[in-house]
Amino acid sequence: EAQVTQNPRYLITVTGKKLTVTCSQNMNHEYMSWYRQDPGLGLRQIYYSMNVEVTDKGDVPEGYKVSRKEKRNFPLILESPSPNQTSLYFCASSFGTTHSPLHFGNGTRLTVT
Amino acid sequence: QKEVEQDPGPLSVPEGAIVSLNCTYSNSAFQYFMWYRQYSRKGPELLMYTYSSGNKEDGRFTAQVDKSSKYISLFIRDSQPSDSATYLCASNTGNQFYFGTGTSLTVIP
Repeated sequence: EAQVTQNPRYLITVTGKKLTVTCSQNMNHEYMSWYRQDPGLGLRQIYYSMNVEVTDKGDVPEGYKVSRKEKRNFPLILESPSPNQTSLYFCASSFGTTHSPLHFGNGTRLTVT
Repeated sequence: QKEVEQDPGPLSVPEGAIVSLNCTYSNSAFQYFMWYRQYSRKGPELLMYTYSSGNKEDGRFTAQVDKSSKYISLFIRDSQPSDSATYLCASNTGNQFYFGTGTSLTVIP
């Protein structure tokens, strides 16, 4: 089954404790991206990647890192999480950015205390 | 000003009603327009996408784009309780996607 898989689904952590949210897709998509979803603000793009070793900032990259060492994986790294990063995070992928819709994972709900 | 603006609702309609969901956008470079449906505790799933001005129909759903007024609409005919979800409009320019805040829809049996 074609899908985008995120792990974990739920994560509670404390301020400053490094964490990684994994994202994997099995559709051989070149484009992958991360979003956070907050009430009243909608989905906002954090980082995106056009291909292996090619990443770029979205609208809200501060406090986040990503890497794209393999085509299928695009982990999101929070080196020193803070409470304002409490949010619902989604990973998405597509073949490209034109005529190719995004496929989303089921989300990771992160709480930073 | 946000790139894509969407009325958050919530919207509550009786089963069988015609639903109209609307968005406006500000970036003239937007060419590709999408509607996503998001159920509770799930990721958004693609419902419709259009590339140009005009209408695109898929079953009970019709997506409409008016580039002259920068207006995007989604119409749902014969709405069903299973249509109850949050609907997100979106567009992209280059490598970045921009989403509306979503409209929460409840269809009452």
